[in-house]
Amino acid sequence: DAKTTQPPSMDCAEGRAANLPCNHSTISGNEYVYWYRQIHSQGPQYIIHGLKNNETNEMASLIITEDRKSSTLILPHATLRDTAVYYCILTGNQFYFGTGTSLTVIP
Amino acid sequence: DVKVTQSSRYLVKRTGEKVFLECVQDMDHENMFWYRQDPGLGLRLIYFSYDVKMKEKGDIPEGYSVSREKKERFSLILESASTNQTSMYLCASSLEAGYYGIDEQFFGPGTRLTVL
Repeated sequence: DAKTTQPPSMDCAEGRAANLPCNHSTISGNEYVYWYRQIHSQGPQYIIHGLKNNETNEMASLIITEDRKSSTLILPHATLRDTAVYYCILTGNQFYFGTGTSLTVIP
Repeated sequence: DVKVTQSSRYLVKRTGEKVFLECVQDMDHENMFWYRQDPGLGLRLIYFSYDVKMKEKGDIPEGYSVSREKKERFSLILESASTNQTSMYLCASSLEAGYYGIDEQFFGPGTRLTVL
């Protein structure tokens, strides 16, 4: 089954854009890319998802490459409250969560 | 707002005990899930259910069973708890999204289980 690869950690200055990459080179044609984040001691929270086209909502933007082998989650103006672990997930019949990227927003 | 509740935030049990973790969702979702989360391993799917009385094994079903007698409730059962089942357990639910995958999941706050 297709899996994702994310850097283990990243830092971002407060107010700047945070760009979180995800590789999913074995994604299949009917799999969506989902992003969640988990703030310490809470359950994961849905952020955004997409299949082929770029997507934007009130929380973030999702950029998916044309070959669908990678994607980037963009938090346009990171705040301290965005410090969390971010998970990039593919869906077919089941979710596969990895260890995600621990984003630290620095004042 | 969707609410997923779990019966306990913290639980301490002894080796060999039978343990029930309860999860309830209030949005009439078809799918429900149980995960465990351990440092360095991320979230791992234990079981999921796509309908009442239906269940499917996830990545790590060994040592666990589940029960879904009502649509809103999904129970995780540790028949004989062991120390290696000490973990954070997370329940989630989602709407049915058809053939192409599962819709966004809504997670509960988690139950931190310690088995002594």
